[in-house]
Amino acid sequence: EPEVTQTPSHQVTQMGQEVILRCVPISNHLYFYWYRQILGQKVEFLVSFYNNEISEKSEIFDDQFSVERPDGSNFTLKIRSTKLEDSAMYFCASSDGYNSPLHFGNGTRLTVT
Amino acid sequence: KNEVEQSPQNLTAQEGEFITINCSYSVGISALHWLQQHPGGGIVSLFMLSSGKKKHGRLIATINIQEKHSSLHITASHPRDSAVYICAPNPLQGAQKLVFGQGTRLTINP
Repeated sequence: EPEVTQTPSHQVTQMGQEVILRCVPISNHLYFYWYRQILGQKVEFLVSFYNNEISEKSEIFDDQFSVERPDGSNFTLKIRSTKLEDSAMYFCASSDGYNSPLHFGNGTRLTVT
Repeated sequence: KNEVEQSPQNLTAQEGEFITINCSYSVGISALHWLQQHPGGGIVSLFMLSSGKKKHGRLIATINIQEKHSSLHITASHPRDSAVYICAPNPLQGAQKLVFGQGTRLTINP
């Protein structure tokens, strides 16, 4: 069964550094999402992406965050200048329709020191 | 603002028991997702439903749109069902901005 893949599984970075989290959604899916989960807390929506542009974003998704689909397969989340509070598990997901089931990747655990 | 409440927060049961997890939300929705989060952190979509009832194997999900309430049931529970179960409504306003419940941690003892 096709799956969403995320790399790396764990990223450690120093405060102030830029990080790029990578995702390969399921190939025929059109909608792409990033979520995050701070340890011990709820999963939170960050951003949705369709037709090469952001369709929705949360208050968390400020100017420090950006998303890109640089080619036909990858979907990336960039954090420009990481803060300690960005430490979390970041999940990528994709779906084949606007109101369709989501397929999640296994997540990237980001640790900012 | 969409408030999502799940109950119970923690549930421990014996293998074979019938399990019910409840989810209430406060705004109009287009659909609701039930997700399973494994101990390693991975998330799997179990159901997406907008009315009535869906069944998959031993799992059943129901939703009452008027009452803004959904339930997830597990029949003949098994230790491998131990996980965190999360409901996530899709609000009508900003339909892709899922709001997640805090999750219900289910432990099934053999």
